[in-house]
Amino acid sequence: NAGVMQNPRHLVRRRGQEARLRCSPMKGHSHVYWYRQLPEEGLKFMVYLQKENIIDESGMPKERFSAEFPKEGPSILRIQQVVRGDSAAYFCASSPPGVGGLLYEQYFGPGTRLTVT
Amino acid sequence: KNEVEQSPQNLTAQEGEFITINCSYSVGISALHWLQQHPGGGIVSLFMLSSGKKKHGRLIATINIQEKHSSLHITASHPRDSAVYICAASFGNEKLTFGTGTRLTIIP
Repeated sequence: NAGVMQNPRHLVRRRGQEARLRCSPMKGHSHVYWYRQLPEEGLKFMVYLQKENIIDESGMPKERFSAEFPKEGPSILRIQQVVRGDSAAYFCASSPPGVGGLLYEQYFGPGTRLTVT
Repeated sequence: KNEVEQSPQNLTAQEGEFITINCSYSVGISALHWLQQHPGGGIVSLFMLSSGKKKHGRLIATINIQEKHSSLHITASHPRDSAVYICAASFGNEKLTFGTGTRLTIIP
């Protein structure tokens, strides 16, 4: 059972370009979370998705950022018109569906390091 | 406000020492997580607990719900334990709120 996969591992974009970050959850996991780690800062929640649904996007910047988790294929975090302040490590995590409100451990991917030049 | 605080921020110890990292949180939680971030940046989930104590190898995690406090202990520390240890809480839902991390360095 492969772990959570993210690609690319490193992404360099010029200011104004678009960045697309992909996350394939572990097999059997239907919940995906995106977190951002700015340089020298802690991890911050961005968005929580289930298949075809955004459950909680309270941590997403209001503009330029969007996320999806289609029925087929990986979850995508999309950043339009990137700026230098978007340079960070973006981590995806996945967990199996909780039953009766039970929470499960989250398994993290290796992260995508985005550098905006 | 949902907050998670960790201490110390940095910890340096000699190989073999017993290590304790502390985490406190502001309000009731559904679960408390301990994560390890390697120097290369990868994140590994060590424990998820909502009560009592869990042990895995040389690592032990405890939580005191009344005091809103958790500790991560490492026995017989080794240089390969050098990493950033992060406490995170689920406050009634699935998203995690993170502490700022403890950078642990074990000197041979």
